[in-house]
Amino acid sequence: AQTVTQSQPEMSVQEAETVTLSCTYDTSESDYYLFWYKQPPSRQMILVIRQEAYKQQNATENRFSVNFQKAAKSFSLKISDSQLGDAAMYFCACKGYQKVTFGTGTKLQVIP
Amino acid sequence: NAGVMQNPRHLVRRRGQEARLRCSPMKGHSHVYWYRQLPEEGLKFMVYLQKENIIDESGMPKERFSAEFPKEGPSILRIQQVVRGDSAAYFCASSSTGSRDQPQHFGDGTRLSIL
Repeated sequence: AQTVTQSQPEMSVQEAETVTLSCTYDTSESDYYLFWYKQPPSRQMILVIRQEAYKQQNATENRFSVNFQKAAKSFSLKISDSQLGDAAMYFCACKGYQKVTFGTGTKLQVIP
Repeated sequence: NAGVMQNPRHLVRRRGQEARLRCSPMKGHSHVYWYRQLPEEGLKFMVYLQKENIIDESGMPKERFSAEFPKEGPSILRIQQVVRGDSAAYFCASSSTGSRDQPQHFGDGTRLSIL
């Protein structure tokens, strides 16, 4: 069984500042992947970044990076130099064998 | 555009009618997943299919819902005798394999509204 918990329903950040979105997960599988997806008002699901659980090095994609703490089962997303286009729902997800489990999402507001 | 294609984008049905949602996976992808998203909620897994086979349907309601992914053509999510509670956004995703390292690529979703 897998669970993914996002404890921040809403967050806000000033444009150009940095924000961190939290995610914790639980899984019985030893081999799994973690993802962050972005869902803007258009409702598309856009892959932001992914992390392989067996890799200790934190994944980075341009302004997006993760802080992966495997022992704590924590997978937070850091957005640097926030832009207006970053405003969206952000979903954390855990993929084990076959199935992906999503968190309930964090709504990010970017203040100009 | 070789992305995941879902149609229609919006579907309106009256209670008791049938709803058919279509999903064409990305080119070269043979694994399809269906998710439901209720307003203000995350995505809930419904079913995972590979060509002509249902691999995991643990998230599908036991009645009125069915899914298929035929050898030729798109995957279909079918909801019979729709009720108000079926109103939601339904997302399809595809991947090239079922392995853990392959991210799922999502379509734009079908928003189903029940009158």
